[in-house]
Amino acid sequence: AQTVTQSQPEMSVQEAETVTLSCTYDTSESDYYLFWYKQPPSRQMILVIRQEAYKQQNATENRFSVNFQKAAKSFSLKISDSQLGDAAMYFCAYRSALSGNTPLVFGKGTRLSVIA
Amino acid sequence: DTGVSQDPRHKITKRGQNVTFRCDPISEHNRLYWYRQTLGQGPEFLTYFQNEAQLEKSRLLSDRFSAERPKGSFSTLEIQRTEQGDSAMYLCASSFQGENQPQHFGDGTRLSIL
Repeated sequence: AQTVTQSQPEMSVQEAETVTLSCTYDTSESDYYLFWYKQPPSRQMILVIRQEAYKQQNATENRFSVNFQKAAKSFSLKISDSQLGDAAMYFCAYRSALSGNTPLVFGKGTRLSVIA
Repeated sequence: DTGVSQDPRHKITKRGQNVTFRCDPISEHNRLYWYRQTLGQGPEFLTYFQNEAQLEKSRLLSDRFSAERPKGSFSTLEIQRTEQGDSAMYLCASSFQGENQPQHFGDGTRLSIL
């Protein structure tokens, strides 16, 4: 079974600074997807960024980028120019690519605080 | 596109009672997922559907839990004889079938067992 580990329960960053959230995963599969989801307090979970395992190029979405190291099974999220609205729980998630859109396997999350 | 809708947002009930939650997915999404999220944890998969067919159930889904998706549209999740350990946020998500399609989440239903 696949597992996702987020070793940082809480992180904080000064507004306008850069922060990196860590994620490692364990799988025996070669083809899969990795995601970062953001869950603001009392609000719905939204997709921040995703990475296909077969792509070597790291995904980027505006201020959000990932560092995907397939051999090390590491998938960190970098948030640049942090804003107050970035404060939320961030979840790293894995999904097998074996049979369509299968369920996600989530880590325990990292709570990010942004300091003004 | 009104997003994934879940009802109710909050449910408080006494132990031993039955509860039912509803999820309305984004229209035309043929896959629908139920997850459970307890305090301080990430969501855990419970079950999912493709259209009206239930494709997989997690071992977390005890016999007291049942889910349906009649006609492949909305879905219901019922918990019978609720226990303290059932207190959690129940999240619904929907997506197209394709493997590169993202899952869109609803706001969740927070269940509190007294």
